[in-house]
Amino acid sequence: GDSVTQMEGPVTLSEEAFLTINCTYTATGYPSLFWYVQYPGEGLQLLLKATKADDKGSNKGFEATYRKETTSFHLEKGSVQVSDSAVYFCALRSGNTGKLIFGQGTTLQVKP
Amino acid sequence: GAVVSQHPSRVICKSGTSVKIECRSLDFQATTMFWYRQFPKKSLMLMATSNEGSKATYEQGVEKDKFLINHASLTLSTLTVTSAHPEDSSFYICSAEGSGAVPYGYTFGSGTRLTVV
Repeated sequence: GDSVTQMEGPVTLSEEAFLTINCTYTATGYPSLFWYVQYPGEGLQLLLKATKADDKGSNKGFEATYRKETTSFHLEKGSVQVSDSAVYFCALRSGNTGKLIFGQGTTLQVKP
Repeated sequence: GAVVSQHPSRVICKSGTSVKIECRSLDFQATTMFWYRQFPKKSLMLMATSNEGSKATYEQGVEKDKFLINHASLTLSTLTVTSAHPEDSSFYICSAEGSGAVPYGYTFGSGTRLTVV
């Protein structure tokens, strides 16, 4: 079945460092891909999305490109801030069932 | 726009009692709502999908008699945890999809932390 795999965390960076969180997926059909962010004790917020191959989603300095050839959707940010500390989830929406399937989440800790 | 309100944010209940969690779409009609459960430091597990006016579809392994879902209107879905036990303690999150200016990829509620003592 469809699945999403994220790099294990936690990821600890200094402020202004470059961030990459890897995400790969397995899916039949043509899924849409998402990144969500979850701050402590809160629900999920949609960070960015891409609905077809080669699309680039971007928001708040974060970006990710839908790479069909490598089945990847890696999240990047050029300069992280302490306020970016959170858990990040990669997800796909199955083209067959319409359900969201989440990766296991990656905790990001940014230190001043 | 596209706000989903989930209530309560936290609830503590005694073992054996039932707890109801509400999920409301404030500015759009939610034709489909999803209920997730999140264990500490784990990903989200889809429990069930509900469409307005019809019975919920539960994922494999989710007890439908224990987790009652009602989606009686286009703006409200409820999850009732019946005869709660400590192992039901978890973070429950709803999300909604519908017509109007809803970002593709669902809109999530802020979650409910359930603690059963």
